[in-house]
Amino acid sequence: DQQVKQNSPSLSVQEGRISILNCDYTNSMFDYFLWYKKYPAEGPTFLISISSIKDKNEDGRFTVFLNKSAKHLSLHIVPSQPGDSAVYFCAAGDGTSYGKLTFGQGTILTVHP
Amino acid sequence: KAGVTQTPRYLIKTRGQQVTLSCSPISGHRSVSWYQQTPGQGLQFLFEYFSETQRNKGNFPGRFSGRQFSNSRSEMNVSTLELGDSALYLCASSLVLPYEQYFGPGTRLTVT
Repeated sequence: DQQVKQNSPSLSVQEGRISILNCDYTNSMFDYFLWYKKYPAEGPTFLISISSIKDKNEDGRFTVFLNKSAKHLSLHIVPSQPGDSAVYFCAAGDGTSYGKLTFGQGTILTVHP
Repeated sequence: KAGVTQTPRYLIKTRGQQVTLSCSPISGHRSVSWYQQTPGQGLQFLFEYFSETQRNKGNFPGRFSGRQFSNSRSEMNVSTLELGDSALYLCASSLVLPYEQYFGPGTRLTVT
């Protein structure tokens, strides 16, 4: 049972445009959501997070939106840069599962110059 | 501040052997979580330690075990290795917030 899903395996965007990465979840107990970026042969790098009491969080070029009724979150990157090319994972946690994050399968983002 | 460090970075073992992986969290971080990443299953939670106590465990067989020391450093052990244990093993640490985990570079384990 995949509780966190990223339905787009890949996304291709032109430099300077907006990248939108999507994530859906099924577990209503999740109360915290995160996005990570990963390069090959490296560990995931934390990007941005959002609590379930909010619907938007912004950090520089990165904005995460949360729609609790639809159980959907998205990551917007504006403007996209070639250095953003990587695999992006969304992850979710709940207060009853210490230290456990449930990850999506990842989306490969390619930003073309 | 130094990030999460994991040793060794690469390891090749034979089926039936056992292996121990090490993780040093970011200074001050007391929670350490371990994950297995494979192409087929993605990132899967193994277990979490806080103050030398395992607080949570994922759906992995008993061959996978871990421990945490008083300085928050953690080790995980896999006994009787199987070919399917070949994976990238990632360690993550966190401070007060239980969710914002910071990952190490991982240990790439290959079982032949």
